[in-house]
Amino acid sequence: AQSVTQPDIHITVSEGASLELRCNYSYGATPYLFWYVQSPGQGLQLLLKYFSGDTLVQGIKGFEAEFKRSQSSFNLRKPSVHWSDAAEYFCAVGKTNYGGSQGNLIFGKGTKLSVKP
Amino acid sequence: NAGVTQTPKFRVLKTGQSMTLLCAQDMNHEYMYWYRQDPGMGLRLIHYSVGEGTTAKGEVPDGYNVSRLKKQNFLLGLESAAPSQTSVYFCATAIRLATADTQYFGPGTRLTVL
Repeated sequence: AQSVTQPDIHITVSEGASLELRCNYSYGATPYLFWYVQSPGQGLQLLLKYFSGDTLVQGIKGFEAEFKRSQSSFNLRKPSVHWSDAAEYFCAVGKTNYGGSQGNLIFGKGTKLSVKP
Repeated sequence: NAGVTQTPKFRVLKTGQSMTLLCAQDMNHEYMYWYRQDPGMGLRLIHYSVGEGTTAKGEVPDGYNVSRLKKQNFLLGLESAAPSQTSVYFCATAIRLATADTQYFGPGTRLTVL
C-alpha cells in the first residue's frame, strides 16, 4: 500500500538559513508526488509536484524538491527561509487503483516549520 | 472567482445532533473531495465524487454521508455526531481524477462535538 512518511514533526530554523524538509514514500511504481503548505487557519496550497521528467522540481515561493528514486525520497528545500514561510508542510503521493479509480492523495502527517528572527 | 468555499467556518454540536457542511466551487471542476484533518494525522479522505450525481467512499467514510446533486456543490452530512468527529474538515476539487492532478482546497470548517 502507498504511504508517506515525514520524519520531522517540528523544525525550527533561523530566518535566512537554508531549509530541508524530509519526505519518504512507499510505492511500487513511478510515484506522483506533491508538496502542500498550510498557513495557520488556512487551507492547503500546492507548492510543487513531480510526475515525470527532471527530478529537480521548482515550485512557488522559492521552493524546490528533488525526487530520488533510489532513496524513495522527495525532500523539499529552500536556500533562504523568510519569516512568512512559517507554516505546516505536507508531502503527498498520488494513489492509484483506489476502488478502481485513480487520483486520490495519501498525505504525510506534516512538518510544522517555525522561523526564528 | 471565489475558488473553493466552505460553509460554515466553525460549528459546535452536541453528541447526537446532525449537520451538513457545504462545499461550493466556481471552477467547473469535475472532481470533489472531503477530507478530515486531525492533529498528527495529516489529511484523511472521507468521501469523493467524480461528477454530478456520483459519490464514492474514501479512507474513513463511517459516520458520514455525502451528496453531489449539482456539479458545483458537494455536501457532507453527519447524521448523529460523535465526539470522535471533532476535526477540521477540508473540501478539495480537481479538474480530473488523475494521479498527477492538482487538488485545490477550501479554507476548512472547524467542527467541535461535545
